[in-house]
Amino acid sequence: SQKIEQNSEALNIQEGKTATLTCNYTNYSPAYLQWYRQDPGRGPVFLLLIRENEKEKRKERLKVTFDTTLKQSLFHITASQPADSATYLCALPTSGTYKYIFGTGTRLKVLA
Amino acid sequence: DAGVTQSPTHLIKTRGQQVTLRCSPKSGHDTVSWYQQALGQGPQFIFQYYEEEERQRGNFPDRFSGHQFPNYSSELNVNALLLGDSALYLCASIADRGGSPLHFGNGTRLTVT
Repeated sequence: SQKIEQNSEALNIQEGKTATLTCNYTNYSPAYLQWYRQDPGRGPVFLLLIRENEKEKRKERLKVTFDTTLKQSLFHITASQPADSATYLCALPTSGTYKYIFGTGTRLKVLA
Repeated sequence: DAGVTQSPTHLIKTRGQQVTLRCSPKSGHDTVSWYQQALGQGPQFIFQYYEEEERQRGNFPDRFSGHQFPNYSSELNVNALLLGDSALYLCASIADRGGSPLHFGNGTRLTVT
């Protein structure tokens, strides 16, 4: 069955450093992949979408890569700030359906 | 432009009871999906409504049912509540185009005692 794995352990990094989060998937060839940010007690907020024919996508301090051979996406936050502390979720559409599968999310904490 | 709104924000129910959660989609969106998010987990797809019909369902029992109204708002009903139904219930609306992002509300926190 289709499966997404994100590092469930929290990631602590120092302010100003680059945070890198990983999303791996199996039994799956999605046409695109999305990343969301979720703050405690709030719904996820869409950040970026990257399509299978795109290797990299950038938005301000955010960068996403998509390696369909490795079945992996990397999410980078450069010059991280304490305000970037949140849980980051990756999501994939299931082919031929309207359903998205979400990873468990990685909790990022940026230390001042 | 209002985003997705959900009500109530919090709810406490007893095992065996029934609950109704409500969602108003983002303006211009005609498709609504419901997700269940247990603590420390990612959202799990319950079902999606489009044109007042359930278009797709996830791996949830029939105790979970829904409805979509002509104004695109939606309800999620859960019957015979179990302790394991305690979770954050998220409504997400989407413009029905491939690759469109999900717009989530802030959810309803349901606690079953």
